[in-house]
Amino acid sequence: GQQVMQIPQYQHVQEGEDFTTYCNSSTTLSNIQWYKQRPGGHPVFLIQLVKSGEVKKQKRLTFQFGEAKKNSSLHITATQTTDVGTYFCAGPYDMRFGAGTRLTVKP
Amino acid sequence: EAQVTQNPRYLITVTGKKLTVTCSQNMNHEYMSWYRQDPGLGLRQIYYSMNVEATDKGDVPEGYKVSRKEKRNFPLILESPSPNQTSLYFCASSLIPDSYEQYFGPGTRLTVT
Repeated sequence: GQQVMQIPQYQHVQEGEDFTTYCNSSTTLSNIQWYKQRPGGHPVFLIQLVKSGEVKKQKRLTFQFGEAKKNSSLHITATQTTDVGTYFCAGPYDMRFGAGTRLTVKP
Repeated sequence: EAQVTQNPRYLITVTGKKLTVTCSQNMNHEYMSWYRQDPGLGLRQIYYSMNVEATDKGDVPEGYKVSRKEKRNFPLILESPSPNQTSLYFCASSLIPDSYEQYFGPGTRLTVT
């Protein structure tokens, strides 16, 4: 079945620095979703991308879907301590999740 | 309030003692699924259900059973738990698969000794 690979596994940044996590698939994805899981919490839906080359923004978060619909990225500008958590991408068809990128932010 | 509930939230049990983790959603969602989360492995799907009486295996179904007799409930059954099933379990639901966000329950932390 479809697998989505996510990198990096961990990222530690200083508050105010930018952060990016990448999601890659060997096959074309009809859509991709992103979720955030705070420490001790459950995954919460952030956004869904559907169109080739799509870019969506949510305040300091920018989501991109590649032109070939095989990769996606989440970029956070000027990280804050509230951004701490694990970010997951999820492909369609049985909703396979990437392994996640755990973000820690040093104040 | 739209939500997915799971019970129990925490459970410590012994090898071989059958247990059931309940999951219920109040959003009339068709699609429900179970995941386990282990460090470094992300979320792995155990079973999913497209609708009542329609269940299918995910990536790691061994040692688990599910049933979907009612639309709102999707219990996870461990007939004979083993220590390698110690994990954090999440139930999730969505209106339909693939195109809609999944709503996750709060999680059940299971320890099998």
